[in-house]
Amino acid sequence: DAGVIQSPRHEVTEMGQEVTLRCKPISGHDYLFWYRQTMMRGLELLIYFNNNVPIDDSGMPEDRFSAKMPNASFSTLKIQPSEPRDSAVYFCASSTGSDQPQHFGDGTRLSIL
Amino acid sequence: SQKIEQNSEALNIQEGKTATLTCNYTNYSPAYLQWYRQDPGRGPVFLLLIRENEKEKRKERLKVTFDTTLKQSLFHITASQPADSATYLCALVQNAGNMLTFGGGTRLMVKP
Repeated sequence: DAGVIQSPRHEVTEMGQEVTLRCKPISGHDYLFWYRQTMMRGLELLIYFNNNVPIDDSGMPEDRFSAKMPNASFSTLKIQPSEPRDSAVYFCASSTGSDQPQHFGDGTRLSIL
Repeated sequence: SQKIEQNSEALNIQEGKTATLTCNYTNYSPAYLQWYRQDPGRGPVFLLLIRENEKEKRKERLKVTFDTTLKQSLFHITASQPADSATYLCALVQNAGNMLTFGGGTRLMVKP
């Protein structure tokens, strides 16, 4: 079975541009999580969905960030407009339950110039 | 404030020895704790889960302990190998809600 698939793996863009990160969770997983990882702050939960419904977005930094899950097999994280401080590795993860292990994708390394 | 603390300094050990990594938490009442391994350029990979009513969990060369009195979990790798070199992350789940909160991770280097 394929794991969590994220695209693109790398993204370099200029500040002010819109950035869209994509995630395909493992089939059958009801929970989907978006994380951001930096050296300074470690791995931070941004938002998570249960059955395609956003449950907690308290980790989203500001209104420039938005996430959607239009169906069980696809989610996006959008940053508009992007800023250099958004540079980080963004991970998507999925799981079958709140207390079950999370399966992570290999992340998108985002660089905002 | 809530904190999950892992030793930010790298742990260097000799092949064959037991590696012990520490995860301390403050102002949490975790329902359970998970340990993950992360290799450079990759996402974290789940290793073990231990619940608050469990003292110890084992999987092959891995052992996790959970002491809710000390507010601490220890992660042991016995007979360590260079292939065990990676960053190891602990993560807590609170009793209420589904959110997983990660520690900063500890980098383990096993030298041949």
